[in-house]
Amino acid sequence: SQTIHQWPATLVQPVGSPLSLECTVEGTSNPNLYWYRQAAGRGLQLLFYSVGIGQISSEVPQNLSASRPQDRQFILSSKKLLLSDSGFYLCAWSVGLAAYEQYFGPGTRLTVT
Amino acid sequence: DAKTTQPPSMDCAEGRAANLPCNHSTISGNEYVYWYRQIHSQGPQYIIHGLKNNETNEMASLIITEDRKSSTLILPHATLRDTAVYYCIVRVANGNKLVFGAGTILRVKS
Repeated sequence: SQTIHQWPATLVQPVGSPLSLECTVEGTSNPNLYWYRQAAGRGLQLLFYSVGIGQISSEVPQNLSASRPQDRQFILSSKKLLLSDSGFYLCAWSVGLAAYEQYFGPGTRLTVT
Repeated sequence: DAKTTQPPSMDCAEGRAANLPCNHSTISGNEYVYWYRQIHSQGPQYIIHGLKNNETNEMASLIITEDRKSSTLILPHATLRDTAVYYCIVRVANGNKLVFGAGTILRVKS
């Protein structure tokens, strides 16, 4: 069966510090991978998605970046965090162009102080 | 992708049916209606999707109007664990992106 992991579960970082969030998927090959962010009391915002290794599409201009070094690994990074980067970060995966279902991970709650 | 409009919140008594409406008046012929829900502090969970016909699975039923401009998600016997934010999303079948709006906060009360 397929599983998706995210770590860390919670993170408190000072403004200006770097960020690295990791997402890995098990039990499937060549998944589509997604990073979403949910600010407090807001809906989910798609940040990045990837259809293959090294292929990243950015949805929103910001100080975040994403990388996919391996087929089932998706990393969200920042060189310098802003207060506005606080939120709940969710990784998701799907398979195939016609996938109707995305499977979400447990999320990382990031607080920038 | 077409936009959707949902009421911000609804209440439902435990054991009763919860009917969550969604308007998508600008939906195109090749766009599907998807429903997800998000329980507090968890990732969203897929519920159901449909194109034209009504659909039913173990979680819910989806009723789509004949003109496809609106739909209703029905939870036949709501429980306290169904308290969540419910998102109605319109998307083409081979689209990669899910665009989440504000959704409807459903509160199931005993």
